[in-house]
Amino acid sequence: GESVGLHLPTLSVQEGDNSIINCAYSNSASDYFIWYKQESGKGPQFIIDIRSNMDKRQGQRVTVLLNKTVKHLSLQIAATQPGDSAVYFCAEIETYNFNKFYFGSGTKLNVKP
Amino acid sequence: NAGVTQTPKFQVLKTGQSMTLQCAQDMNHEYMSWYRQDPGMGLRLIHYSVGAGITDQGEVPNGYNVSRSTTEDFPLRLLSAAPSQTSVYFCASLTAGGPEAFFGQGTRLTVV
Repeated sequence: GESVGLHLPTLSVQEGDNSIINCAYSNSASDYFIWYKQESGKGPQFIIDIRSNMDKRQGQRVTVLLNKTVKHLSLQIAATQPGDSAVYFCAEIETYNFNKFYFGSGTKLNVKP
Repeated sequence: NAGVTQTPKFQVLKTGQSMTLQCAQDMNHEYMSWYRQDPGMGLRLIHYSVGAGITDQGEVPNGYNVSRSTTEDFPLRLLSAAPSQTSVYFCASLTAGGPEAFFGQGTRLTVV
């Protein structure tokens, strides 16, 4: 199968540059946020998560920032590589109910060599 | 360790036909879920299960049934396929403590 990508916002970056992917969420009761990466023809893959009592969390080459005041989440990817080309989704979870993920519509990241 | 396995990968149905999408996980995860993904949209939750014998509805449950007789398997049944059910379907599993959900490769379903 193919990943969703027909009408998604697209971010194009040069290889080696940093990427910032943004996500607005709507539910102020959400207390867990997760970023997923979906490559063409594959299922989503977990990247990083952040709890609502945090405003920043770092992983390997990725940083997630959470601004609860404006209900905004961002994913920063350092030194973007061609393998980072994919669709990125944020997901929110309410009351730590990990049964129910509410996904955003996604952003397509194109990395130019 | 296979993770989450979905079958079939592709399926074409005629309106009114029924079928079952299979999902199996070998990680002994308590939670399993079905999502559908439509163009330009994120994944939407159809049904989920917190353990064998327990299922509940998600955001878009109409036209679908599920059952969870074992920890490993969580099949999704389309009772009478409609063109509006044309989509890519993903099954996911995770432990009760979260947060990392593991997704299958997806089933692309076309209803004509």
